Amino acid sequence: DSGVTQTPKHLITATGQRVTLRCSPRSGDLSVYWYQQSLDQGLQFLIQYYNGEERAKGNILERFSAQQFPDLHSELNLSSLELGDSALYFCASSVGRDSPLHFGNGTRLTVT
Amino acid sequence: TQLLEQSPQFLSIQEGENLTVYCNSSSVFSSLQWYRQEPGEGPVLLVTVVTGGEVKKLKRLTFQFGDARKDSSLHITAAQPGDTGLYLCAGEYGNKLVFGAGTILRVKS
Repeated sequence: DSGVTQTPKHLITATGQRVTLRCSPRSGDLSVYWYQQSLDQGLQFLIQYYNGEERAKGNILERFSAQQFPDLHSELNLSSLELGDSALYFCASSVGRDSPLHFGNGTRLTVT
Repeated sequence: TQLLEQSPQFLSIQEGENLTVYCNSSSVFSSLQWYRQEPGEGPVLLVTVVTGGEVKKLKRLTFQFGDARKDSSLHITAAQPGDTGLYLCAGEYGNKLVFGAGTILRVKS
């Protein structure tokens, strides 16, 4: 058990809808990362937060947004969903920069 | 084009065989990490290699960082079915941790 909790585990929704994925980091970890994993793209970095502030941004679509709250949990919001957004979405946390990442077990999103 | 190229993409071997998987880049990394991911779970860190030429051992797994810090390899001795999984290398690039596409390893008993 990595100590990182992601909910929900599975999500099935229709095109055009909006969903929110939630992540609780390991106790004591200030950094939260979001990754998207698909068969054709592999594990792609989306965004990182450190203690509530955005620290780094990857190839995150404008339809996607994220935030980290004062209690350090994070949410990833995906809107105007398309079929191609179907993927596994992972959250990871770390104590800080250059520290190992601890991944949750992911949310499997299926857009129909 | 991936910043970190992993090969082979897929490897299916019998229990007891040895294998090596590779992680290559044209860029220099201050360190590289190796993760293993099993179905239904997130990646789990195996090791971080930091110094060029460094060799680290984790039981039957041997990790090597290239002298120029552009490549790394993972060698497994006497593979076991429990070694089955997706092996990912990762390195920090532009303030982001980027991953290779991974090697899917299947060890048959």
